[in-house]
Amino acid sequence: DAKTTQPNSMESNEEEPVHLPCNHSTISGTDYIHWYRQLPSQGPEYVIHGLTSNVNNRMASLAIAEDRKSSTLILHRATLRDAAVYYCILRDVDAGNMLTFGGGTRLMVKP
Amino acid sequence: GAVVSQHPSWVICKSGTSVKIECRSLDFQATTMFWYRQFPKQSLMLMATSNEGSKATYEQGVEKDKFLINHASLTLSTLTVTSAHPEDSSFYICSAPRSHPGDTQYFGPGTRLLVL
Repeated sequence: DAKTTQPNSMESNEEEPVHLPCNHSTISGTDYIHWYRQLPSQGPEYVIHGLTSNVNNRMASLAIAEDRKSSTLILHRATLRDAAVYYCILRDVDAGNMLTFGGGTRLMVKP
Repeated sequence: GAVVSQHPSWVICKSGTSVKIECRSLDFQATTMFWYRQFPKQSLMLMATSNEGSKATYEQGVEKDKFLINHASLTLSTLTVTSAHPEDSSFYICSAPRSHPGDTQYFGPGTRLLVL
């Protein structure tokens, strides 16, 4: 899987939107952009994924740059329960189902 | 609710003993499951790919004779840490893709192993 770069940590205030950036300048045409998050002492959970177009679901929105070299995970209203490590992962569907985790971004939410 | 379960959720064992961790897909069949290990304050590291009906595929640096993987059925994969040592203490997590290749991964809640 191609490499991604994320800030080590970010802070947010409760009830405010959060934009979590991810750079993936070496992305290939068959790479999907996946986001997972891991709450403390739990396994990761799926958040959202996309290929080219922006995506929305009940958890978050994913904004993908036109050149696909970066993306942003948007939490519209952060809650204390959103405090977690967020992982941006590129996955080539032609290369199997395994996920390669980078360092992720630790999101801290202040009340 | 959880679609992938792990058992046990935590285990403490003496050095030299073997520990078996189970990973089950609860409402779907998984021909492939993945095993990860996570040390404190670090990211998940893929250990091996568990394949139903065939041998597991191990990542470089992971000893296949120490970490035995058996994918006994389409809903169960087991990881056995043989002759465990304190440095094997870690958080072990399994995952499985739900339906067809390319689908999202569902992760188990993890098993925390402490070897004394």
